Amino acid sequence: QKEVEQNSGPLSVPEGAIASLNCTYSDRGSQSFFWYRQYSGKSPELIMSIYSNGDKEDGRFTAQLNKASQYVSLLIRDSQPSDSATYLCAGGMILTGGGNKLTFGTGTQLKVEL
Amino acid sequence: DVKVTQSSRYLVKRTGEKVFLECVQDMDHENMFWYRQDPGLGLRLIYFSYDVKMKEKGDIPEGYSVSREKKERFSLILESASTNQTSMYLCASSLRELAQGVYNEQFFGPGTRLTVL
Repeated sequence: QKEVEQNSGPLSVPEGAIASLNCTYSDRGSQSFFWYRQYSGKSPELIMSIYSNGDKEDGRFTAQLNKASQYVSLLIRDSQPSDSATYLCAGGMILTGGGNKLTFGTGTQLKVEL
Repeated sequence: DVKVTQSSRYLVKRTGEKVFLECVQDMDHENMFWYRQDPGLGLRLIYFSYDVKMKEKGDIPEGYSVSREKKERFSLILESASTNQTSMYLCASSLRELAQGVYNEQFFGPGTRLTVL
């Protein structure tokens, strides 16, 4: 059973709209959450990290975490064609030696249309 | 900026060959990771290391081994490559916990697309 679930999409939004990407997780031991963006043929790059319940904003991106509902989301405001990519949600567990062990969802493909 | 490099972007090997994938990071990170990424399955952790000469199995270690002799270098070894090991292999690194409850993100290398014929 997957520990981090995402809708694979594609999610299509018009340019300038808000894109809403969602993720659920099953392991209540997960303590940190990350959103990565991955362009086709490229490696993942970090967009946002969130550790506490509530919202965290960074430019056009807002991450939301609800630990009671085991739900994480990413909002992208004023979506641009350059935002078209696959977005990976990951939940982190503490490693014995320090740091995170991440479990990734399979990703949601976002398409921003002109 | 953190830089994680991998020895090859594309690699083609034959069944039964021994394959070495090398990863080097230049930011003095304690933790290093090897993942494979396959369509529909996402990123899956093969092995990780949180210190020199230390290694821990991830979710899919079968058919793989690793080596970490120096802090900056983490190698993935396919002892006898098989066709089901054709995949994109991604290396990542991270610092240990910065402070209580503040965990460090993983930074990824560019990936190695391995094809086993």
